[in-house]
Amino acid sequence: GDSVTQMEGPVTLSEEAFLTINCTYTATGYPSLFWYVQYPGEGLQLLLKATKADDKGSNKGFEATYRKETTSFHLEKGSVQVSDSAVYFCALRTSGNNRLAFGKGNQVVVIP
Amino acid sequence: GAGVSQTPSNKVTEKGKYVELRCDPISGHTALYWYRQSLGQGPEFLIYFQGTGAADDSGLPNDRFFAVRPEGSVSTLKIQRTERGDSAVYLCASSPGPTTGEQYFGPGTRLTVT
Repeated sequence: GDSVTQMEGPVTLSEEAFLTINCTYTATGYPSLFWYVQYPGEGLQLLLKATKADDKGSNKGFEATYRKETTSFHLEKGSVQVSDSAVYFCALRTSGNNRLAFGKGNQVVVIP
Repeated sequence: GAGVSQTPSNKVTEKGKYVELRCDPISGHTALYWYRQSLGQGPEFLIYFQGTGAADDSGLPNDRFFAVRPEGSVSTLKIQRTERGDSAVYLCASSPGPTTGEQYFGPGTRLTVT
């Protein structure tokens, strides 16, 4: 079945550091890919998305490129801020299927 | 405008009891989804409604779980004979239609079964 794998463990980094969170997927067909973010005390919010191979989603300084050849959708930000501290979830949706399949999420802690 | 709302925000119940969790989607959204998020995990799909009907209930774990959306707006997730393993955050999401991938999530209901 469809599944998403995120790198293990929380990520702790200093303000202005470069952030990468790895995401790989297994899916039949050509899925749409998403990153959702959950800030402390808030609900899940869509951060960015890409619907076909080589598309780049971007928002709030975050970027992710849909790589069909490596089945990946890694999230990157060049210079993180304390306000980026949150849990980040990678997700996919395959065509003809309305459900989202999520990874386990990564806690990101940015220290000043 | 108003987002997805869920009530209650927290629910504590005893093992074996019946609970109902409510979701109010964004006005005009025809698609509604329920997910369950256990501690340290990503959300797991439970059921999807298009309008009043359950178009996909394949994620419901067993027949103790049931959901309705009688008028195509508000939805209620019902859990009978609750078990401690049902403890989780139950998330509701809505989207404008069945083909858009962008789902808008509510804050969730944290269910604790003691």
